[in-house]
Amino acid sequence: NAGVTQTPKFQVLKTGQSMTLQCAQDMNHEYMSWYRQDPGMGLRLIHYSVGAGITDQGEVPNGYNVSRSTTEDFPLRLLSAAPSQTSVYFCASSYRGPQETQYFGPGTRLLVL
Amino acid sequence: GENVEQHPSTLSVQEGDSAVIKCTYSDSASNYFPWYKQELGKGPQLIIDIRSNVGEKKDQRIAVTLNKTAKHFSLHITETQPEDSAVYFCAASKGNFNKFYFGSGTKLNVKP
Repeated sequence: NAGVTQTPKFQVLKTGQSMTLQCAQDMNHEYMSWYRQDPGMGLRLIHYSVGAGITDQGEVPNGYNVSRSTTEDFPLRLLSAAPSQTSVYFCASSYRGPQETQYFGPGTRLLVL
Repeated sequence: GENVEQHPSTLSVQEGDSAVIKCTYSDSASNYFPWYKQELGKGPQLIIDIRSNVGEKKDQRIAVTLNKTAKHFSLHITETQPEDSAVYFCAASKGNFNKFYFGSGTKLNVKP
């Protein structure tokens, strides 16, 4: 049981480039979410999904896109990277929703130059 | 949306002392309040949670208290140990709302 996995661990992008952050879980969880973590600001919700085919916006969705074609995978796409998107990104999952234990991945550190 | 404020931002205690971290929330409909611990280079991990129908919950050296009237909840760690050093986050959510709001975090340093 690998839990929640994220790839890559670290990425450097140039302004305007696009990329996809991968997230996968093997716990058959319905709820998955993406957060960004910036110094002094805690974790802020970007997008979340309550099941395959269903996604919705969180607090800070601008500049990010998600899809959920399977229960296991929840990729986060940066459409045109900006320096303001430099952050650490965490994916999390839980069985049904935010009122259950959230299992976090190890994070992806992104630097946009 | 919900606004969760957390204090202090840093806390330094001597090994064996107690540590208290406090959070306030703005939405009186919030009814689930977890606490997460984040060690360096890792993702957050749930350490304890409390629901609005309970005033206090304890698990060995950690406890959480909730005051619904004042809209605040606190994490208490007794007999602190160096391995308690980490960043702690509080969070809040409400039942029929699929979002989760975190506080800004408290960096706890336990000095041996």
